[in-house]
Amino acid sequence: AQSVAQPEDQVNVAEGNPLTVKCTYSVSGNPYLFWYVQYPNRGLQFLLKYITGDNLVKGSYGFEAEFNKSQTSFHLKKPSALVSDSALYFCAVRDSGTNAGKSTFGDGTTLTVKP
Amino acid sequence: NAGVTQTPKFQVLKTGQSMTLQCAQDMNHNSMYWYRQDPGMGLRLIYYSASEGTTDKGEVPNGYNVSRLNKREFSLRLESAAPSQTSVYFCASGSRPLGGEKLFFGSGTQLSVL
Repeated sequence: AQSVAQPEDQVNVAEGNPLTVKCTYSVSGNPYLFWYVQYPNRGLQFLLKYITGDNLVKGSYGFEAEFNKSQTSFHLKKPSALVSDSALYFCAVRDSGTNAGKSTFGDGTTLTVKP
Repeated sequence: NAGVTQTPKFQVLKTGQSMTLQCAQDMNHNSMYWYRQDPGMGLRLIYYSASEGTTDKGEVPNGYNVSRLNKREFSLRLESAAPSQTSVYFCASGSRPLGGEKLFFGSGTQLSVL
C-alpha cells in the first residue's frame, strides 16, 4: 500500500520569505513523487517530480523539492515567496511499478502568501 | 492547445437522476482517469483507462460507470445520483500508464446532488 501525508492544512508566509510545504510518503517499492498546484476553480497543474537521480529537483515557477529517502520526505520549497504563489498544493506518490493514475494524493496544503 | 476538456462545468441533480460527465483530451495520451475531490480528502481515483478499450476500477468506483469511447474520450456516468456523490470531479490523462510521466488535468465539474 502507498500513502502520503501533508501534515499542515495551511501555511502562511510573508512575500519575499522562503516557504516550505511538507510531504512525507510511504511506498513498498521505489517512489515516484510529484507536486501539483491548484488555483481556484482550476484543475491541478504539474510543478515537479522526482523519479531518480539528484535528490534536489527543480520545477516550474522557481519551486524545488528535496527527496530524502531516510526521512521518506519530499518537501516543496521556494527561496522567495510571491503573492501569486497562493494556492492549494498537493503532494502525490506512487510505487514505480504501478499505473500513473494510481498515484495517491495528499489532502492538500493551502499556501497563503501575504504582501 | 486545449489539453483536457471537461463538460459540464457545473451541474445540479436531484437524488436518483442520472447524468454523464464528458472528458476529451487532444494530446494523444494513452491513459485517462477520473478523480473526485472532496474537502480535506485530496483526490481519490474513481476509474481509469490505461489504453483504449480497457477500463479498471480505482479506489472509489461504487455508483459510477465509465466508457472509453476512443483514444480521446473517457466519460463518467452516474446512473442514480446520491447526495454522497456531491463533489468536484476531475478528468486527467497521461502519456504512459507506467513511467514517470505527469498527469494533465481538466478544469473540473462541480456536481451537487440534492
